[in-house]
Amino acid sequence: EADIYQTPRYLVIGTGKKITLECSQTMGHDKMYWYQQDPGMELHLIHYSYGVNSTEKGDLSSESTVSRIRTEHFPLTLESARPSHTSQYLCASSERGGPHNQPQHFGDGTRLSIL
Amino acid sequence: KNQVEQSPQSLIILEGKNCTLQCNYTVSPFSNLRWYKQDTGRGPVSLTIMTFSENTKSNGRYTATLDADTKQSSLHITASQLSDSASYICVVSDRGSTLGRLYFGRGTQLTVWP
Repeated sequence: EADIYQTPRYLVIGTGKKITLECSQTMGHDKMYWYQQDPGMELHLIHYSYGVNSTEKGDLSSESTVSRIRTEHFPLTLESARPSHTSQYLCASSERGGPHNQPQHFGDGTRLSIL
Repeated sequence: KNQVEQSPQSLIILEGKNCTLQCNYTVSPFSNLRWYKQDTGRGPVSLTIMTFSENTKSNGRYTATLDADTKQSSLHITASQLSDSASYICVVSDRGSTLGRLYFGRGTQLTVWP
């Protein structure tokens, strides 16, 4: 099994709070990703990173921000949470090289509910 | 528009039976197709990856097929078990960028009854 961890698993918090979702991987993967997934819907890429100090926005517009100061760590931050941010957030990583044929390893996600 | 469509949306079968899930895509240029299994409350786990030149790949009781000409793939599950109950997601990658952009289907929700 892949070693990629997300915390917290569940978070219920009020509107306006600052939130940081943690993601860490111990595989030394260069590429990391954040996806948003709503029930019964497809995953949408919101951020990705090729390596340290590299971050890019994904296909789905998101008010969140990310940072990549260390290879193993890719946290996602919401400065001011709103009910529209309620969703499941999945973090993933993959190896460098042969970019099209490397599987992505996913964490178990953070289910976020904003009241 | 690049899309991935999966059918059926949901499926219920009895334990021990076989089933086949379908995936049609319009992604171009095509790089590879992946099937993932996502248990409730967990992240997706890769089952198979197939490139253009591969038309079948197995992983235990899971066998995926790919017809790149018709842009169709199927995932066949043999002798189903209760633990097969999950969402099965088809993901297609294009060759249009270094990232190898991924297009996700909405998944087929499989329920296996005893």
